[in-house]
Amino acid sequence: DADVTQTPRNRITKTGKRIMLECSQTKGHDRMYWYRQDPGLGLRLIYYSFDVKDINKGEISDGYSVSRQAQAKFSLSLESAIPNQTALYFCATSQWVNEQFFGPGTRLTVL
Amino acid sequence: GQQVMQIPQYQHVQEGEDFTTYCNSSTTLSNIQWYKQRPGGHPVFLIQLVKSGEVKKQKRLTFQFGEAKKNSSLHITATQTTDVGTYFCAGIKDSGGGADGLTFGKGTHLIIQP
Repeated sequence: DADVTQTPRNRITKTGKRIMLECSQTKGHDRMYWYRQDPGLGLRLIYYSFDVKDINKGEISDGYSVSRQAQAKFSLSLESAIPNQTALYFCATSQWVNEQFFGPGTRLTVL
Repeated sequence: GQQVMQIPQYQHVQEGEDFTTYCNSSTTLSNIQWYKQRPGGHPVFLIQLVKSGEVKKQKRLTFQFGEAKKNSSLHITATQTTDVGTYFCAGIKDSGGGADGLTFGKGTHLIIQP
C-alpha cells in the first residue's frame, strides 16, 4: 500500500465551487506539505504543517486554506475555485528536513 | 523571498551522452535535495547534500554542493532511456532550526533520443 495517498486523483469542477483535496500518510511523519505544479513553473509550496497545531503559508497560499485534522491527515480546500487554479496538486510528508515523500497527485480542472 | 534558479529548462541528448543540470540559490542554503519526476509520475527523492563542497555519487549520477552552499549540480554520465524525466533541485534556506519549507527550482526536462 502507498505510504502517501491523495483523494481524489482527478477532479473536474466549475468556477465558484468549493472543493477539498485530501491527503493521508502512514509514514508517521510530523511534517506535511501541499504543492501545486504547473507546466514550466515547477513545484510551488501552498501550505505546510510541522505538526497538528502548526500551519504555515507557503509561496502561493491566496485562494487556498488547509486543515491538519490529525498527524496523518492534511487537507487542502479551495473555497471558491477559479480556472487559474487548474493544476496538478501534490501532497508530501517528511521527518524534520529530510527527504520528502510525495503522493501520486490530484489533477484538478476548474471550468 | 528565496529563489532557486535551475538551468537549462530543457535538455535534449542522444542516448549515451552526458547531461548536467545546474541549480543556483539567491541565499545560502542549509541543505539541498534533488528529485526526479518521471512523465506522469510524482517527484521521487534522489539525494540530499548538506556540507559545503560535498560530492556524492549514485552509479552514473554525480551530485555536487558548492563551497558557498548557494549552488549545486547533477551530472549524469552516459545517459540511458530510463533517465528520461524532470530533475528538480530543492533548497532549504540557512536560517537555522529547519523552520522553512523547501523551495524548488523549476526543473530540467531531460529528453533522450535513442
